[in-house]
Amino acid sequence: AQSVSQHNHHVILSEAASLELGCNYSYGGTVNLFWYVQYPGQHLQLLLKYFSGDPLVKGIKGFEAEFIKSKFSFNLRKPSVQWSDTAEYFCAVNGGGKLIFGQGTELSVKP
Amino acid sequence: EAGVAQSPRYKIIEKRQSVAFWCNPISGHATLYWYQQILGQGPKLLIQFQNNGVVDDSQLPKDRFSAERLKGVDSTLKIQPAKLEDSAVYLCASSLRTENTEAFFGQGTRLTVV
Repeated sequence: AQSVSQHNHHVILSEAASLELGCNYSYGGTVNLFWYVQYPGQHLQLLLKYFSGDPLVKGIKGFEAEFIKSKFSFNLRKPSVQWSDTAEYFCAVNGGGKLIFGQGTELSVKP
Repeated sequence: EAGVAQSPRYKIIEKRQSVAFWCNPISGHATLYWYQQILGQGPKLLIQFQNNGVVDDSQLPKDRFSAERLKGVDSTLKIQPAKLEDSAVYLCASSLRTENTEAFFGQGTRLTVV
């Protein structure tokens, strides 16, 4: 069965620190990969997506993610976080037309 | 472009009562999803429609949950009877098709069962 695993439940960083959130999935076929963000009190919004091509994808607000097919991973990165990046981050995988989410990582950025 | 609309935003009911949620997807989106998000967890897919047909409902507790998308546009999700563990945010999302496209989410309905 398809599944998505996010490595960190809660990450606390100071402003300007670098961020990397881990995501691994299990699915044997072709996948679409996503990172969504949920700011406090708001709905889920797309940060970035991968369908095919260059495995390094860039999203909004300076975020990027790298698809490593051999490791079934799609980790999210940002070189320098801001207080406004405080939110919950969800990795999602679409395998065979079914969109499944990980359990989420809560990011707290201290000013 | 209008987003995914959901109503109500909040609902409080007693256990064993019934409740219904409504979702209006983005115009032209063939795929519609209902997710359940319990506090501290990721969204769990309950049911997925392609137009008015069910693509996946493997995680839907069919003894108490039902959903329909009669004309391939709006959708309703019903719980009858509700249990305490059904307290969660119910999210509706839509996309143009099932693959190679992103899903857009509504604000969700926060259900509290007391």
